[in-house]
Amino acid sequence: GAGVSQSPSNKVTEKGKDVELRCDPISGHTALYWYRQRLGQGLEFLIYFQGNSAPDKSGLPSDRFSAERTGESVSTLTIQRTQQEDSAVYLCASSLWRDNEQFFGPGTRLTVL
Amino acid sequence: AQTVTQSQPEMSVQEAETVTLSCTYDTSESNYYLFWYKQPPSRQMILVIRQEAYKQQNATENRFSVNFQKAAKSFSLKISDSQLGDTAMYFCASLSSGSRLTFGEGTQLTVNP
Repeated sequence: GAGVSQSPSNKVTEKGKDVELRCDPISGHTALYWYRQRLGQGLEFLIYFQGNSAPDKSGLPSDRFSAERTGESVSTLTIQRTQQEDSAVYLCASSLWRDNEQFFGPGTRLTVL
Repeated sequence: AQTVTQSQPEMSVQEAETVTLSCTYDTSESNYYLFWYKQPPSRQMILVIRQEAYKQQNATENRFSVNFQKAAKSFSLKISDSQLGDTAMYFCASLSSGSRLTFGEGTQLTVNP
């Protein structure tokens, strides 16, 4: 595709439910990143995938958060047993290779009631 | 660990005038990159300008230029001939060999007609 796409655009869920967020990177981009942006704040790194290497999960805030990526394609970010503090915009980015410019998707706004 | 600090939560400027947004950073890396991203209300993160730390020459992209002071760890963004479409949140970010972007808290810029 022409750019990074994410779905859904908006997600409202109840506390305690699980959610899955999807990211489609730019074709050919080997690196994929997830960030979280709380209201009025900057972006926090969550996780980074580079090709078939083990992902860098050091930014995941708790074991309720996990992410998967199959090869160099789609990635899903899963949040289990959602809490109200998980409410944020979740942004995905991809780059051709590490240290290259990161191209961002439009984000998924998650609201936990 | 890297840190990025933006000390101006909000700024405003009259259309056609010049404005400078401040950013300081801290890193122990010798090789790193610095970026300014723009985030309009659409949430889309758009790369405005990038600077490689090993380059002494300040980066320029049309109306956007940076003042990169490596010793002072300062990376300010100058917007010349401000336009209404420049109204957005601006984020300063650094990228090191770890490949994660570290963002500042952002500066909300409003261009007034």
